[in-house]
Amino acid sequence: DAKTTQPPSMDCAEGRAANLPCNHSTISGNEYVYWYRQIHSQGPQYIIHGLKNNETNEMASLIITEDRKSSTLILPHATLRDTAVYYCIVHHTGANSKLTFGKGITLSVRP
Amino acid sequence: EAGVAQSPRYKIIEKRQSVAFWCNPISGHATLYWYQQILGQGPKLLIQFQNNGVVDDSQLPKDRFSAERLKGVDSTLKIQPAKLEDSAVYLCASSLDPGLAGRYFGPGTRLLVL
Repeated sequence: DAKTTQPPSMDCAEGRAANLPCNHSTISGNEYVYWYRQIHSQGPQYIIHGLKNNETNEMASLIITEDRKSSTLILPHATLRDTAVYYCIVHHTGANSKLTFGKGITLSVRP
Repeated sequence: EAGVAQSPRYKIIEKRQSVAFWCNPISGHATLYWYQQILGQGPKLLIQFQNNGVVDDSQLPKDRFSAERLKGVDSTLKIQPAKLEDSAVYLCASSLDPGLAGRYFGPGTRLLVL
């Protein structure tokens, strides 16, 4: 699976949009971009995934650039409960594919 | 829908002792994973089951770690004997299929080896 690069941390104000960047310049055609988050003392939580089109669900939006070398996870109205480590993972969908977690980006939402 | 259940939530043992963790995945999920998460790092896959068969155990330290999923539902992960560096959170996850579907994680078991 391709490697991803995320800044170590960022913060945003409560109620504002949080835009979390991820670079995956070596992504190949059959690899999806997945986002998970891990709130302190909990297991990781699946957020969203996409291939090339932008995706939106009740938790977040995923914007993937046209060349697929980077993506942005958008939390439209961040709350204090969104403070967590966010992992961007590139993953092909074969049965033997490993979902490899990096260190992620720590998002701190301030009041 | 009930989530992935794990027990115990916390365990403290001395080095060279044995320990076992239990996981009950989401009903109907054929794929089950065990991950190890050391403090400050992302989770690392130890073993993946598809029903009761092992798909990938390449990162499982087989000299001391073992896992089974006898009836294709619940799973246990055992460490025997434990070392100090095994101190970590052990996460169980399940998914409907190993490919596209998202993985659903349990709360984890926090192990401290003294």
